[in-house]
Formats: sequence, C-alpha cells, structure tokens
Amino acid sequence: NAGVTQTPKFRILKIGQSMTLQCTQDMNHNYMYWYRQDPGMGLKLIYYSVGAGITDKGEVPNGYNVSRSTTEDFPLRLELAAPSQTSVYFCASSYPSGGELFFGEGSRLTVL
Amino acid sequence: RKEVEQDPGPFNVPEGATVAFNCTYSNSASQSFFWYRQDCRKEPKLLMSVYSSGNEDGRFTAQLNRASQYISLLIRDSKLSDSATYLCVVRDFGNEKLTFGTGTRLTIIP
Repeated sequence: NAGVTQTPKFRILKIGQSMTLQCTQDMNHNYMYWYRQDPGMGLKLIYYSVGAGITDKGEVPNGYNVSRSTTEDFPLRLELAAPSQTSVYFCASSYPSGGELFFGEGSRLTVL
Repeated sequence: RKEVEQDPGPFNVPEGATVAFNCTYSNSASQSFFWYRQDCRKEPKLLMSVYSSGNEDGRFTAQLNRASQYISLLIRDSKLSDSATYLCVVRDFGNEKLTFGTGTRLTIIP
C-alpha cells in the first residue's frame, strides 16, 4: 500500500524557474492538501481540495497553483520561484471530515 | 492570538520521567483535536485523537478542556524513542481544514 507519494524528494531551483511538485494517493481519499514547513516552524496550508475539480486557497497560496483533475492526483505548481519558497512541502490526504491526515514523505525545495 | 498555540520547548526530560504538554486554541467552535508526532526530517504521523472524555493509549493520555480551550498530552515512563516534535492539530466545525500548532520539541535524555 503506497499511501501518499510525492516527487521529487529533493530539488534545487534558481530564482525565477518554475516547477511542479507531484502528489498522488491510492487510498481513494476525497480531501487532499498541500502544506509547507519552514525550519523550526509548524505546517502552513497552501491549497486544499475536497474532490476532483474543486480547489481552494489556504493560508499561504501566493506564488503557487494547483489542479485536481482526478481523485488520485494533486500537483502543486510553483511559478517564478523565489528564495522565500525554500521549504519542505508536504502533501496529505484524508477522508471527508476524517481526522487523520496521511502525509507523503515531503519534498525539500531550495531556491537559490 | 494564534489559532493554535504550543510551548515550543525544547523539553529535555530524563528517561522514565513523565512529561506533559498543553496546547491552547482560540476558536470555541473547534470540534476535533489531535496530536501528531513528527520525527526529525520526517512527515507528521497521527499519534492520537483527543476525545471529550479523554483517552489513553498505552503510556500516552490525551485530555480536552473545552471550558479553558486547551488540550493536553501526557507521556508516562518516557522512552528514548519518544524524542520527537509533538504537533497539536485542531479542526473547526464544518471546516475541511486542519490548523497545526508550531509543535513542542521533546528530547528524552538517557
């Protein structure tokens, strides 16, 4: 059982470059989330989705975009990368109103 | 006031001791509460949900105080493997989003 799979695990970007962080889950969860975690800090919600075709902004959406064309996939796109986007990105999924979030292993992004 | 607040620690506790953390939340309508554990450079994982009547799972006890708007986590007979960051998580009624505290860092000392 793969759970939540994120790729890539590590990436270094130059300022102004763009990239997509991939996230896929095989648990048929409706809800999916993207969080970022800066060193020594808690998780901040970037975007979330309650089902295919539906997405909504979290606390810190600026500089990011998402799409949800299928139940399984929830990619996060970074446009015009900035040093402030250096962080660890976690994708997570859950059942509707279910308490437990299942997290991917994280994607460590550095923008230089 | 932050939505979810935790003492960041660090808590340095000798092996075998009992340690307790509190977490306060600002929204009285908050409905669901959880403790997650995060090991260094790893993803968070659910430790336990927190029920109104309190609940226990082995050496771990979680309690909810709605009147004072806080939840607590008690770890008895602490083990070296308990060293981690403990995240308090709150879900508001009718809200798909969960709000995370910044975490309390615990180190168990041999």
